[in-house]
Amino acid sequence: GENVEQHPSTLSVQEGDSAVIKCTYSDSASNYFPWYKQELGKGPQLIIDIRSNVGEKKDQRIAVTLNKTAKHFSLHITETQPEDSAVYFCAALIKAAGNKLTFGGGTRVLVKP
Amino acid sequence: AAGVIQSPRHLIKEKRETATLKCYPIPRHDTVYWYQQGPGQDPQFLISFYEKMQSDKGSIPDRFSAQQFSDYHSELNMSSLELGDSALYFCASSSSGADTQYFGPGTRLTVL
Repeated sequence: GENVEQHPSTLSVQEGDSAVIKCTYSDSASNYFPWYKQELGKGPQLIIDIRSNVGEKKDQRIAVTLNKTAKHFSLHITETQPEDSAVYFCAALIKAAGNKLTFGGGTRVLVKP
Repeated sequence: AAGVIQSPRHLIKEKRETATLKCYPIPRHDTVYWYQQGPGQDPQFLISFYEKMQSDKGSIPDRFSAQQFSDYHSELNMSSLELGDSALYFCASSSSGADTQYFGPGTRLTVL
């Protein structure tokens, strides 16, 4: 089955700096890659996603890039703010295979004021 | 906008008891997914339903069963609870043909 690796597991940045989280996946059939933000005691919140026919997508301070050849995708957060502090999960999905999400191990991001 | 609703939000049970978790998907979403998240871990897929039929199955113990009803809500039934079942249980929903899943707030199950 699909395996998703996520790095780093923790990330501390100064407010205003950028944060980058990287994920790799194993199954080349994966074609949908969402990113979720999870705050303490809450459910994962979708923040951005990308499909395999696109190389990059941006939404305000958040951007995601996808390299299908290398089977990796990354989340970029610019101008970080204290409210960006949370655990971020990447995930991969094979649309033709039941649509179950396989998650990376998560990255705990701390934005220091 | 309406979100996924889960109940109860917190549940405390003794070992060997049973528990039922409920999930109400976003209106007009016909697909429901259940995930289990242990402390400090990523969510793990358990089972999914589309149009009241099981569509996929993950690492769900035989002690657990689930179903989706005609109004598309879903219930996860857990029997012979073990200490290791203590976790957050999330339900997510999507509309048919869509790959985007929206998660509910979760049910925190504690087994004593």
